Amino acid sequence: QVQLVQSGAEVKKPGASVKVSCKASGYTFTDYYMHWVRQAPGQGLEWMGWINPNTGGANYARKFQGRVTMTRATSISTAYMELSRLRSDDTAVYYCARDTGGREAMNWYFDLWGRGTLVTVSS
Amino acid sequence: EIVLTQSPGTLSLSPGERATLSCRASQSVSSSYLAWYQQKPGQAPRLLMYGASSRATGIPDRFSGSGSGTDFTLTISRLEPEDFAVYYCQQYGSSPTFGQGTKVEIK
Repeated sequence: QVQLVQSGAEVKKPGASVKVSCKASGYTFTDYYMHWVRQAPGQGLEWMGWINPNTGGANYARKFQGRVTMTRATSISTAYMELSRLRSDDTAVYYCARDTGGREAMNWYFDLWGRGTLVTVSS
Repeated sequence: EIVLTQSPGTLSLSPGERATLSCRASQSVSSSYLAWYQQKPGQAPRLLMYGASSRATGIPDRFSGSGSGTDFTLTISRLEPEDFAVYYCQQYGSSPTFGQGTKVEIK
């Protein structure tokens, strides 16, 4: 079964970091770019960046540069998103989402999503 | 950054009716790089359309998309009970951005 399974909900204090995982199964992990998208409570969707699981190369939305790091572990088909210096407005559901393109190029739209990881930032 | 504005915010319709959702971009979206997603409560978004008018795999033909430049439309020809949800447009001609969503609710 083709799916992305994300790690469980997290509660963090302001200033802390959080690392969310996304385990791929049912397809070749390194064949598709992975993106991260977040959704604050009752709000819309916000793109955070992408990682190339084949090379490890990553690119981040300007808003998150300096605070976000996307990595992967190919041996376990898992992508990670770490966000540091958390603030209350980082409270959101964080999704990993697979790009529809292939290993060589992205299409920049997403056909397979994880179920999301709720990160709550509260003192 | 391209800002996408969706209208209306909420659409109240009955099953069997036609739904027309609008997505307007603050600047032209190159090559009609626009996608639509459906999201139901507690679920992840689901890809419906890409390239403004191409249906994603498994999407029924009651869903159609159109538009170019700055104005795009998602049409649901006859609403089924499972179509009541929030719909988001996304442009990917430049760094991806999403609209704020249109909720299609049962009247």
